[in-house]
Amino acid sequence: EADIYQTPRYLVIGTGKKITLECSQTMGHDKMYWYQQDPGMELHLIHYSYGVNSTEKGDLSSESTVSRIRTEHFPLTLESARPSHTSQYLCASSEKGSGANVLTFGAGSRLTVL
Amino acid sequence: KNQVEQSPQSLIILEGKNCTLQCNYTVSPFSNLRWYKQDTGRGPVSLTIMTFSENTKSNGRYTATLDADTKQSSLHITASQLSDSASYICVVSDRGSTLGRLYFGRGTQLTVWP
Repeated sequence: EADIYQTPRYLVIGTGKKITLECSQTMGHDKMYWYQQDPGMELHLIHYSYGVNSTEKGDLSSESTVSRIRTEHFPLTLESARPSHTSQYLCASSEKGSGANVLTFGAGSRLTVL
Repeated sequence: KNQVEQSPQSLIILEGKNCTLQCNYTVSPFSNLRWYKQDTGRGPVSLTIMTFSENTKSNGRYTATLDADTKQSSLHITASQLSDSASYICVVSDRGSTLGRLYFGRGTQLTVWP
């Protein structure tokens, strides 16, 4: 069982609301990631972090923001949710020095914006 | 154009039967290739990882093959079970280090019927 936790698992929210998706891992991994996944489509990297106080944007442009104040915690925030933000958001982590795709994924947060 | 193409897009088989899923990639340079299993509503879980020098690797009823010359990989599932119903995602890395970029396929949706 992966030691990476995402909350909430499901969220239905109205347009314009601010939301934060939580991600925590207990493995002490340095690198953490946020991916966006739509049905039948590949995962797209939207944010990643090499460690505390380090955040970078991924391949897919996103209006969300992230922070990394603690090693184990990597929350994602949308200041004003829109229907186009409806998607599944997957958090992942990897150990420093490991191969690039040795990822451990959380169970995901499915966001629906009405 | 996605650099990792998977086929078929979806597949239905009867319980107990075998099946083979395909992954073709154009990623270069190549570091390693990993197959993930993603159950509905869950995050992906790693099944196997293969480097350039490996051409076969097994994990229980799952056997992955890799032909680095033709840039093709396959995942063979033997004696399928209902619990094998999931999306199977092929992921290719262009570097072995944490600086490597990951390229995701769109997955093959496998359904196993009783």
